[in-house]
Amino acid sequence: IAGITQAPTSQILAAGRRMTLRCTQDMRHNAMYWYRQDLGLGLRLIHYSNTAGTTGKGEVPDGYSVSRANTDDFPLTLASAVPSQTSVYFCASSQGTGGEKLFFGSGTQLSVL
Amino acid sequence: GNSVTQMEGPVTLSEEAFLTINCTYTATGYPSLFWYVQYPGEGLQLLLKATKADDKGSNKGFEATYRKETTSFHLEKGSVQVSDSAVYFCALTLNTGGFKTIFGAGTRLFVKA
Repeated sequence: IAGITQAPTSQILAAGRRMTLRCTQDMRHNAMYWYRQDLGLGLRLIHYSNTAGTTGKGEVPDGYSVSRANTDDFPLTLASAVPSQTSVYFCASSQGTGGEKLFFGSGTQLSVL
Repeated sequence: GNSVTQMEGPVTLSEEAFLTINCTYTATGYPSLFWYVQYPGEGLQLLLKATKADDKGSNKGFEATYRKETTSFHLEKGSVQVSDSAVYFCALTLNTGGFKTIFGAGTRLFVKA
């Protein structure tokens, strides 16, 4: 089934540890995004990539990094996790970058203790 | 700045009741407007969209009209079902100067049998 796959589904992480959230899409979409979802705040954009080889910062990029080595994969790395990064993380994609609808993965529930 | 404001929840309705979830926006330029729905344990999925003033988006009995004069995009459904219980997000995407999708905080809907 075409779509976006995120892994892991959930993770409990000690503060200070490094963690990479994986995201893979098989729709050959050009653009990919990482959002975090927090109660009362909706979804906030962390980083995005308009096409393979390029990335950009979103609204809340501090403490996170991304790479886009190819079209399909867009991993999100927390270099040294902190409790404020406890959240649900969603990867999304779109065919283009102008007014397109977004396709979302099922999310990763991350708890940093 | 650009933003989306939607009514706070939760909203609790009985089956077959009329639903309205208010959404207003602030944006420079001419955004596209979206409603996304998130069912428990899943990622967001597009419910409906409208790309210009006076357009009406509709899907699964839900409707929303792009009102430029009131900068609103209220979601309505004439008769809700238990299966409509979910979180609903209003969002805008700016069509100029590259990508940006901004989400509201979300409104949780509970529908009782």
